[in-house]
Parts: sequence; structure tokens; C-alpha cells
Amino acid sequence: KNEVEQSPQNLTAQEGEFITINCSYSVGISALHWLQQHPGGGIVSLFMLSSGKKKHGRLIATINIQEKHSSLHITASHPRDSAVYICAVWNYGGSQGNLIFGKGTKLSVKP
Amino acid sequence: GAVVSQHPSRVICKSGTSVKIECRSLDFQATTMFWYRQFPKQSLMLMATSNEGSKATYEQGVEKDKFLINHASLTLSTLTVTSAHPEDSSFYICSAWGPYSNQPQHFGDGTRLSIL
Repeated sequence: KNEVEQSPQNLTAQEGEFITINCSYSVGISALHWLQQHPGGGIVSLFMLSSGKKKHGRLIATINIQEKHSSLHITASHPRDSAVYICAVWNYGGSQGNLIFGKGTKLSVKP
Repeated sequence: GAVVSQHPSRVICKSGTSVKIECRSLDFQATTMFWYRQFPKQSLMLMATSNEGSKATYEQGVEKDKFLINHASLTLSTLTVTSAHPEDSSFYICSAWGPYSNQPQHFGDGTRLSIL
């Protein structure tokens, strides 16, 4: 079993729909990242959170540490949101940390 | 916001060539840099972790003589793929972290390496 599980693996939505991507993890973490990878390959860090909820524009990320679960929500989705969204858990000890990645959720938003 | 610059973005070269990829943190001191490899439709795989001024720590299965990593300053790390072969063709991406432990990793835009 992977240490970080994401669902769904693939997601197709119509423009304007509310989207939720889920992430469950089985290891102890210091924080959790949500990353966005566009077809060109570059990765953008969307959120880093260790508790509660964060919001940035149309994106909302929540985390429940007790349940070891996080969700990424996109409100009023748009075709430009089409990308792979990756959940990664951050476990740092000592002087360096390590990210453990989920396999990603490929999102396609149709106009 | 913090920016990580990775160069080059794409390399196409012949088998046997050595290729150097640079990763620079532009507006912060990166005490730690990470090098990842990503094969098509796969998740990122950590290759090695480098701390400024010390030898890189390689993940199991990654040949340190094949993938030379140098992190000589707080803003620059390089990955050199020595004597590259077609099986080394992949997407390589770096990230930088630091100087405080509560900061997120910042990723470069990646380098697509194609060995003919």
C-alpha cells in the first residue's frame, strides 16, 4: 500500500463545476503539500498546510490530522485548471526533510 | 514569491554525452536541494538530497557515479548525468528548501532529457 493515496486518479469536469480531490496518508507528517503540474512539466506549490484550512482564490485546501486526510477543492472550475494535482506529505527531521508523493490526479476541465 | 530557476529546460543529445543541469534559488538561500526524476505517467521519484557544502545523499538504486551532484553554494546545485544512455531519458526536476524548516519546497520547471 502506498504511503500517500490520492483519489480519483482521473477526473473530467465541465467548466464551472466544483471539484474535490482527496488525499489519504499513512505516515506521520510535518506538513502536507498540494502541487500542480502542468503538461509542460513544471510544478507549482499550491499549498503547504499542517492543520485546518487554507484558501487562495478559487482553491481551498483542508487537512484533518487525526484522520490523516486532506482535500483540495476547486470552485468554479475553468479549463485552465486542467493539470495534474499532486498531494505530497512532508516529513522533516533533523536538518532536512523528505517529500512523499501521491501518484497525482489528472484533471481535465471541459469548456 | 520564491523562485527556483532550472536550466536547461530541454536537452537532446547523443548517447555517451555528459549533461549538466543547473538549479538556482533566485531569492532565498536553499540549504537543501532535492533532485527528482519523473518517467511518463509516473510520480516524482527522489534521486538525491544535497545540502550546501556536503556530499549528496542518494536514494537506493541511484548510481552516485552516474548522477553527480554538486551543491557548492546556497543558491546553486548541479546534476550531471555522466555518459548518458537512452535509458536515462526522463524528466528531471529540482526543488529547493530553506533556510527555515517550516518553509515549503519550491520547484524548478524541470529539464526534459532525451538521449538518442
